[in-house]
Amino acid sequence: KQEVTQIPAALSVPEGENLVLNCSFTDSAIYNLQWFRQDPGKGLTSLLLIQSSQREQTSGRLNASLDKSSGRSTLYIAASQPGDSATYLCAVIRGSYQLTFGKGTKLSVIP
Amino acid sequence: EAGVVQSPRYKIIEKKQPVAFWCNPISGHNTLYWYLQNLGQGPELLIRYENEEAVDDSQLPKDRFSAERLKGVDSTLKIQPAELGDSAVYLCASSSGGSGNTIYFGEGSWLTVV
Repeated sequence: KQEVTQIPAALSVPEGENLVLNCSFTDSAIYNLQWFRQDPGKGLTSLLLIQSSQREQTSGRLNASLDKSSGRSTLYIAASQPGDSATYLCAVIRGSYQLTFGKGTKLSVIP
Repeated sequence: EAGVVQSPRYKIIEKKQPVAFWCNPISGHNTLYWYLQNLGQGPELLIRYENEEAVDDSQLPKDRFSAERLKGVDSTLKIQPAELGDSAVYLCASSSGGSGNTIYFGEGSWLTVV
């Protein structure tokens, strides 16, 4: 059974700092990995999708990497802003479009 | 383009009462998912549809939960009767299918059973 772990569970950083969120998974036979953002009381917003043949994806200040062999992905956020405060979830996608989520990392960016 | 639309956004009901949630996926998306998210946890799949066919409902508690996707577009998730432990967020998501396509989520339906 696929297990997805996100460390740390919570993170607080001062505005402007660069930061890395971690996601690890136990079964490397995945198709894709997707990072989401969830604001309080809201649904999930897709940030980046990394296909299994790719090693990274970038969107603005966000960069996500994928290392299938080690079962790890990282989400790098550059020059963090208070508006980045949210819970970040990663989900691994394998056969039959099955998503398995981690519990998320709650990020607080302090002005 | 409209995103995934869910209603109601919030619902408070007494235990043993029925409740239904509605989802309208992104136009053209043939894959539709219902997820359950408990507080502080990641979402967990309840059921996945490919068009009107439920292709994965292994995690759906069929004694009290039911779902349908008539005509392969909108979907409804029903709980009858609701229990206190059903208090959670029910998320609907859709995608155009294929392993390389992004999955889009709605805002969720927040259920409180009292």
